[in-house]
Order: sequence, then C-alpha cells, then structure tokens
Amino acid sequence: EAQVTQNPRYLITVTGKKLTVTCSQNMNHEYMSWYRQDPGLGLRQIYYSMNVEVTDKGDVPEGYKVSRKEKRNFPLILESPSPNQTSLYFCASSSRDLNSPLHFGNGTRLTVT
Amino acid sequence: LAKTTQPISMDSYEGQEVNITCSHNNIATNDYITWYQQFPSQGPRFIIQGYKTKVTNEVASLFIPADRKSSTLSLPRVSLSDTAVYYCLVVSNSNSGYALNFGKGTSLLVTP
Repeated sequence: EAQVTQNPRYLITVTGKKLTVTCSQNMNHEYMSWYRQDPGLGLRQIYYSMNVEVTDKGDVPEGYKVSRKEKRNFPLILESPSPNQTSLYFCASSSRDLNSPLHFGNGTRLTVT
Repeated sequence: LAKTTQPISMDSYEGQEVNITCSHNNIATNDYITWYQQFPSQGPRFIIQGYKTKVTNEVASLFIPADRKSSTLSLPRVSLSDTAVYYCLVVSNSNSGYALNFGKGTSLLVTP
C-alpha cells in the first residue's frame, strides 16, 4: 500500500531535549516536505526537499532541521524544542512534478512543556 | 507567489450543494489549483485539481474562470461525512523554489 508513515503519532517532551520525528514514504517520490498545523493558521511549510541531499526552507523553518540522506526518509529534527513548537506536524511527499497530488502522513502531535 | 484566501467556515444541510471559493490573485501562468480535504486527526487528502475552466470527478467539481484569479470547489449533495476542512493550494515554482501556499482552510459543517 502506498503510504507516508510518520513516527511517533504522539510525543510529549520537555524544553531543550532534542527530538526527531521520522517520515518515510514507499512511493519513490522525489519531493518530501514538512508542515505544522496550528489553530487558525492552517498548514505552514517548514522545510522541503526536491531530492536526496537537497533541502530548502519553507515559511517557518526557525528551530527545525531536516536531512535527506535517502530518498524514502525525511526526518524532522528539533535540536532544542521550545513550547512554541507545540503543534501538529505532517509529512508529505509527491513526485517531482509538483502538480501531482501530495500524499500526507497521519500526523505527529507534539507537546513541549 | 500566489497567496490564497478562503472563507474560514461554512455551514450546510445534508443534500445541499456546497460551493467554496478560493481567491488567488497572483496566480502565475504555469500554476495549478488543487483542493484537499482534511478530517480530524488525519492528514489532508487530494480531492481535485484544475488549470482552467471546469474539472469534474466522482467527488467534486472545480470551476476556474478565464482570469484564474479564483476557483470554486463544488460539492454536490453533501452528507454528514463531508464535514471537514477544505484547503485550496496553488503550487508556485518560483526562483526561490517550490513554495506550497495552502490557504488557512474552510471548515465545512454539514448538519441533518
């Protein structure tokens, strides 16, 4: 089954404790991206990657890092999480032609205390 | 970059047709318009995509006028299960990369 898998689904952590949210897709997609979703703000893009070893900032990249060492994986790294990063995070992928539909994961709800 | 604007919320009764309009005044020549649906605790999923005029699939229709500065998602005869948030997306391939401009979404509530 074609899918985007995020882990974990829920995560509670404390300020300053490094964490990684994993994202994996099995569709051989070139494009992968991360979003955060907050009430009243919709979906905002954090980072995206057009292919292996190629990453770019989205609208809200501050406080986040990503890497794309393999085509299927695109982890989101919070080196020093802060409470304002409490949010619902989604990973998505699509083929190189971005007019193709985005496939989203089921989300990771992160709480930073 | 094409910024999108949608109504924040809409209400409808079961069986009615619902039309949600998205404004994208700065849409570029090569940009496509895509709509997504999101249920609580799930990622958005693709509904329909178009470039101009009208597109129809088994779920919805998409109307795009000649100037392409807006688009309207039409859901025929909605049911309770159509209660969701609907996002309009314009993909812009600018010099700075592939910016994906999601609107803030329209929360549709369908009641009996």
